Amino acid sequence: QSALTQPRSVSGSPGQSVTVSCTGTSSDVGGYNYVSWYQQRPGIAPKLMIYDVTKRPSGVPDRFSGSKSDNTASLTISGLQAEDEADYYCCSYAGTYSWVFGGGTKLTVL
Amino acid sequence: QVQLVESGGGVVQPGGSLRLSCAASGFTFSSHAMNWVRQAPGKGLEWVAFIRFDGNDQYYADSVKGRFTISRDYSKNTLSLQMNSLRAEDTAVYYCAKEASYGPYFNYWGQGTLVTV
Repeated sequence: QSALTQPRSVSGSPGQSVTVSCTGTSSDVGGYNYVSWYQQRPGIAPKLMIYDVTKRPSGVPDRFSGSKSDNTASLTISGLQAEDEADYYCCSYAGTYSWVFGGGTKLTVL
Repeated sequence: QVQLVESGGGVVQPGGSLRLSCAASGFTFSSHAMNWVRQAPGKGLEWVAFIRFDGNDQYYADSVKGRFTISRDYSKNTLSLQMNSLRAEDTAVYYCAKEASYGPYFNYWGQGTLVTV
């Protein structure tokens, strides 16, 4: 399984919106609606932010939203805040109890 | 509250072995599948291994298949990862991660333990 493709970095000013893309194949992103997104701050374990492509776990602000079209999933963060600065990883179930992550995107809040 | 605490990391020579443990608490351990996910220094996340809630099935990433073994001890609420024939590319922080009840997602993670080969 090859890693999903994410941009290495994105940036935005406070209050703006940013979108992080995640491109896979029909064997992972395109084949299942089991796409998730994780936020990781330096030195800290990842945190689940989005699951089932679009759903947010309890406690995750509604500024975070997800979508998918064909083999590409996207994470959008609206109303950027300084605390959103982190690395973001997409993840897709890839069948038969296997998962594939993206390479990660570093979000900088300017 | 859910807690996952990894231990067992350290420095090992190429070809050597190491056993990682993850002590779980705050949830019904026997009801949830568990995973190991690793992160090489400065790199992204990589799923490593999965074990079903009942321990009857285990699955591995191709990169570790045949070298790593995931297991669980219900009497101690502990998840383990036996790592043999270690290679330099296995150097990473290893996280144990609990699968969510609502789907194939990792909704709780430990703090990680560093393995250096």
